[in-house]
Amino acid sequence: GQNIDQPTEMTATEGAIVQINCTYQTSGFNGLFWYQQHAGEAPTFLSYNVLDGLEEKGRFSSFLSRSKGYSYLLLKELQMKDSASYLCAVNRESNYQLIWGAGTKLIIKP
Amino acid sequence: GAVVSQHPSRVICKSGTSVKIECRSLDFQATTMFWYRQFPKQSLMLMATSNEGSKATYEQGVEKDKFLINHASLTLSTLTVTSAHPEDSSFYICSASPGSPDTQYFGPGTRLTVL
Repeated sequence: GQNIDQPTEMTATEGAIVQINCTYQTSGFNGLFWYQQHAGEAPTFLSYNVLDGLEEKGRFSSFLSRSKGYSYLLLKELQMKDSASYLCAVNRESNYQLIWGAGTKLIIKP
Repeated sequence: GAVVSQHPSRVICKSGTSVKIECRSLDFQATTMFWYRQFPKQSLMLMATSNEGSKATYEQGVEKDKFLINHASLTLSTLTVTSAHPEDSSFYICSASPGSPDTQYFGPGTRLTVL
């Protein structure tokens, strides 16, 4: 079956670094998305990884290991506004029908 | 960046009525649009995939006669919830893709409450 696992909730301190992990088992793989979703709002695109390795975009970086079925989202210099849910989603085929993880709620404390 | 709008943002209706939700890509042509539903504290659930000019592809367990999807143009897709019931109350979100896998953009969502 299709399975995507993320921690339910994480807590971190403002200014610190946090890593949100995502493991997946899917019948196909064409890439992995990370989205940010604030409560009551639609998701916002953060990153898309197709090849193994680390991709950095400002304070956010995303890593992918296809052989291990593993990805992580790294957030640096945490700000209070980073408090949100972070969703991991796998693009199984080239038609962009995504399989979504349940999301990780990130709580930032002063 | 690309913008996707949804209308209405909130709707409250009586049980048994139908509700139409519009999803528009404002500055790009969307070859594919997706409709999702999200219940509180749960992840997104893909309901259907809509390609312009063809019938939508529904996910298993989603009633196509209840959730009517029309993708009449490259910038507009509509979802009609027919004979809505309280259990249909949810957050409905559309996303649109111009064809590249790293550019799937989400609309702001529509919160539907059925009384």
